[in-house]
Amino acid sequence: AQSVTQPDIHITVSEGASLELRCNYSYGATPYLFWYVQSPGQGLQLLLKYFSGDTLVQGIKGFEAEFKRSQSSFNLRKPSVHWSDAAEYFCAVGAKAAGNKLTFGGGTRVLVKP
Amino acid sequence: DTAVSQTPKYLVTQMGNDKSIKCEQNLGHDTMYWYKQDSKKFLKIMFSYNNKELIINETVPNRFSPKSPDKAHLNLHINSLELGDSAVYFCASSQDFSLEETQYFGPGTRLLVL
Repeated sequence: AQSVTQPDIHITVSEGASLELRCNYSYGATPYLFWYVQSPGQGLQLLLKYFSGDTLVQGIKGFEAEFKRSQSSFNLRKPSVHWSDAAEYFCAVGAKAAGNKLTFGGGTRVLVKP
Repeated sequence: DTAVSQTPKYLVTQMGNDKSIKCEQNLGHDTMYWYKQDSKKFLKIMFSYNNKELIINETVPNRFSPKSPDKAHLNLHINSLELGDSAVYFCASSQDFSLEETQYFGPGTRLLVL
């Protein structure tokens, strides 16, 4: 069965500083990987996704993520955080062999200090 | 012109009651989903419909019954509500039932069972 772990429950970062959110997955083959953002009181919005090809993926809002097969990781990064990036971030994994279902991690809450 | 909308946004009810949550998407998508997000922010798939046919039915009590009157609507009816049903329920849609297609989420329905 596929699973996703986001080791950091909370991260606090200063505005303008860089941000990295960790995501580790467990699945035998190459999975489909996603990062979603959930602003307070809102639904989830897709930031980026990885299926195959270039392991560095660019997304919306200046985010990028890197797939590292050897580490079973798909970490999300942003070079310079804005106050509006304060939100909950979810990593998700899916696989065709698992019925195309998305399995989500527990989320990482990002707080941005002025 | 909201893409995925849900009603109601908030729902407070007593144990044992029956309630429904409605979802509509105006994106012309073929696939719709229901997710449950518990108090610890874990998000889990409940159901998925593709062209009005049920294709994902996770281990959910049969008190939960989804209904898709047409491709643009997916409603969730819950019988005999229990305290543990308190959660945020998200509806989502995608162009089709493939992982390459982005899932668009609604704003969520916050259900509180007293």
